[in-house]
Amino acid sequence: QKEVEQDPGPLSVPEGAIVSLNCTYSNSAFQYFMWYRQYSRKGPELLMYTYSSGNKEDGRFTAQVDKSSKYISLFIRDSQPSDSATYLCAMSAQGQGGSEKLVFGKGTKLTVNP
Amino acid sequence: DGGITQSPKYLFRKEGQNVTLSCEQNLNHDAMYWYRQDPGQGLRLIYYSQIVNDFQKGDIAEGYSVSREKKESFPLTVTSAQKNPTAFYLCASSPSSGNTIYFGEGSWLTVV
Repeated sequence: QKEVEQDPGPLSVPEGAIVSLNCTYSNSAFQYFMWYRQYSRKGPELLMYTYSSGNKEDGRFTAQVDKSSKYISLFIRDSQPSDSATYLCAMSAQGQGGSEKLVFGKGTKLTVNP
Repeated sequence: DGGITQSPKYLFRKEGQNVTLSCEQNLNHDAMYWYRQDPGQGLRLIYYSQIVNDFQKGDIAEGYSVSREKKESFPLTVTSAQKNPTAFYLCASSPSSGNTIYFGEGSWLTVV
């Protein structure tokens, strides 16, 4: 079983839709959870950062962590064509070295159609 | 403006030639990383450095070399020994106490 699983999509939604992106993981020691957004031919940019369980909201974006199910989600409300990108989840455990231990999902490609 | 600058953005190389990708950061981060991104394969760690004059191999270091002579700079050399060098290369950095990393805009390398 891979440490982090992420459905590659592609996912296509109409403008204004609520988008749900998800990752599952197997390592119960993961405590730091991140979502990156990567536009075509660009580097990933950090979108959301969450420690441990719970929800975090930033504008139209909500990151959710369910450690009991080993499942994280990113919700995008009122999706816009500018949200079209590949979304990568990433996670790491505390006390296991530095950020070189960050484990990435392979990314979900999202297209929001006007 | 604080950030990570990679150059060149696009690079073409003939087989058998070495090429060096530049990465500079002005975020005052201690740690720096090089990743390779291929379609369908996700991000793979090539090399990382947590401090000046020290670096470690990542998961796919064969055919690559790095140096870390300055805190701000972490150049990557793709040698002729790298079997499939055509890829998107990403440099990243993080503070020493951080648990996440920040990426540059990437460099596209094509071997012709």
